[in-house]
Amino acid sequence: KQEVTQIPAALSVPEGENLVLNCSFTDSAIYNLQWFRQDPGKGLTSLLLIQSSQREQTSGRLNASLDKSSGRSTLYIAASQPGDSATYLCAVRGGSNYKLTFGKGTLLTVNP
Amino acid sequence: DADVTQTPRNRITKTGKRIMLECSQTKGHDRMYWYRQDPGLGLRLIYYSFDVKDINKGEISDGYSVSRQAQAKFSLSLESAIPNQTALYFCATSDPGGVGGSVDTQYFGPGTRLTVL
Repeated sequence: KQEVTQIPAALSVPEGENLVLNCSFTDSAIYNLQWFRQDPGKGLTSLLLIQSSQREQTSGRLNASLDKSSGRSTLYIAASQPGDSATYLCAVRGGSNYKLTFGKGTLLTVNP
Repeated sequence: DADVTQTPRNRITKTGKRIMLECSQTKGHDRMYWYRQDPGLGLRLIYYSFDVKDINKGEISDGYSVSRQAQAKFSLSLESAIPNQTALYFCATSDPGGVGGSVDTQYFGPGTRLTVL
């Protein structure tokens, strides 16, 4: 059974700092990995999707990497801003081709 | 207008009542999903549907049923609500694309906060 772990559970940083969020998964047989952002009481917004054949994806100040063999992904946020404050979730799509398994998320607070 | 909408956004009900949560999408996707989110447990899949004639149980389907009325509509029902079904419920859609669904990205609705007293 696929398990997804996100570390740390919560992170507080000053504005402008570069930061890394971590995600690990137990079964490397995945089709893709997605990073989502969730604002309090709101739905999930897809940030980046990395296919299993890819090593990284970039969007603006966000860069996500994937090391499938070691079961790890990182989300790098450059020059953090207070508007980046949210919960960040990673999810992997497994071999059944339908199921996303989610981590429990990292709650990020960027202080002005 | 939002691509994935959910109604109601908030609902308070009593134990034993029947509840229906509705989801509509304008993305034209065949695949639709229902998840619940609980503090400390993350998101868990309740049911999913790959097309109008295809309905599948997820990891926590007990106590729930679904109906796929059309490509754009997927409803979740709680036949007899109980307090431990209090949670945030999300509908999502996706389009498989690529080989083996490698670019299948899920799009989520805003959620329904359900409280069962």
